[in-house]
Amino acid sequence: DVKVTQSSRYLVKRTGEKVFLECVQDMDHENMFWYRQDPGLGLRLIYFSYDVKMKEKGDIPEGYSVSREKKERFSLILESASTNQTSMYLCASSLKKTLITRNTEAFFGQGTRLTVV
Amino acid sequence: SQQGEEDPQALSIQEGENATMNCSYKTSINNLQWYRQNSGRGLVHLILIRSNEREKHSGRLRVTLDTSKKSSSLLITASRAADTASYFCATGKGFQGGKLIFGQGTELSVKP
Repeated sequence: DVKVTQSSRYLVKRTGEKVFLECVQDMDHENMFWYRQDPGLGLRLIYFSYDVKMKEKGDIPEGYSVSREKKERFSLILESASTNQTSMYLCASSLKKTLITRNTEAFFGQGTRLTVV
Repeated sequence: SQQGEEDPQALSIQEGENATMNCSYKTSINNLQWYRQNSGRGLVHLILIRSNEREKHSGRLRVTLDTSKKSSSLLITASRAADTASYFCATGKGFQGGKLIFGQGTELSVKP
């Protein structure tokens, strides 16, 4: 079974702290994603990575950065946490579409509920 | 900006009834996927339909895609209380369709 593991289920941080959210997948997926989920706003894409060291901004990258040094690990970094970054953060991974790969469904971690106080 | 917009935002039905959720999107897509989320958990993939397909079935799920109207619908037949969850559509964009953009979701409540 595909497994996407997020390092923490719940996290409380102080305003101004540098925060690292870690995500690891065990299926050799090329694509990895970070989303945040807020009531009434659905899932919003923060960053997308399609290969090691490759990244693409999503819809709401401001205040965030990412790191993909190894294929299995995708880290989300809050450079200076603020209260408006209190949210549920979801990591996901998927295979890159090729002529052979037909199914590019995403597999999600359980989420990290981050509270910034 | 959100690519997909689900409609309705919330739906409440009785067990045994059918539930229909709709998704509209704005730009061309490579594929469209539906996901389910139980409260406070990660999302689980339900079904994927490619841009050259019009209809797809999986168990009690039926998905249609109308690229001319830029819309899709998810039908759950003979719903059960266990179907209570939030349902999201996601569009695959970019050259490989791998960049997934989600809508705001439909919250489905199935009453026993």
